[in-house]
Amino acid sequence: SQTIHQWPATLVQPVGSPLSLECTVEGTSNPNLYWYRQAAGRGLQLLFYSVGIGQISSEVPQNLSASRPQDRQFILSSKKLLLSDSGFYLCAWGEGTGRWNEKLFFGSGTQLSVL
Amino acid sequence: QKEVEQNSGPLSVPEGAIASLNCTYSDRVSQSFFWYRQYSGKSPELIMSIYSNGDKEDGRFTAQLNKASQYVSLLIRDSQPSDSATYLCAVRRSNDYKLSFGAGTTVTVRA
Repeated sequence: SQTIHQWPATLVQPVGSPLSLECTVEGTSNPNLYWYRQAAGRGLQLLFYSVGIGQISSEVPQNLSASRPQDRQFILSSKKLLLSDSGFYLCAWGEGTGRWNEKLFFGSGTQLSVL
Repeated sequence: QKEVEQNSGPLSVPEGAIASLNCTYSDRVSQSFFWYRQYSGKSPELIMSIYSNGDKEDGRFTAQLNKASQYVSLLIRDSQPSDSATYLCAVRRSNDYKLSFGAGTTVTVRA
């Protein structure tokens, strides 16, 4: 069965510091991968998605970037964190026979606090 | 206009009652609809998917879709205290990778 691992679970970082969040998926090959962010009391916002190694699509322009160095690894990064980067970061992988019926399954998330 | 709108709640229902959650979406070409359950501090968990008009039942959950009226609903029958959570509605436009989420409805089931 497929599993998704995301770490760390909690992170407290000072403003201006770098960020690296990692996500790996097991039990599937060439999955679509996603990074979402959830601000307190708000819906999930899609940040990046990837349909293959080295293929990254950005949904929202900001100081974050993503990379997919391996088939089942997805990394979210920032060179300098802002206060507004605080939130609950969720990695997800997609399962489906086509784009229309793809279901997303989320990792356990990283609660990031930028102070 | 938000892509996906839900009443934030809280929706309080007694144990054993039916909880009814509603969601409306703005884009008529939306094709796929999902309900996720999210416990406080946890990640969302997929509970239902629906793609065509009508009802879809899975255990105590029933999803209802009306594309003409652009709404999708979730019914939780025989509500249990363990159903207390925030329920997120998610919508995907036709041929799009992006899944758009509502802000969620918080449900509290009181014993």
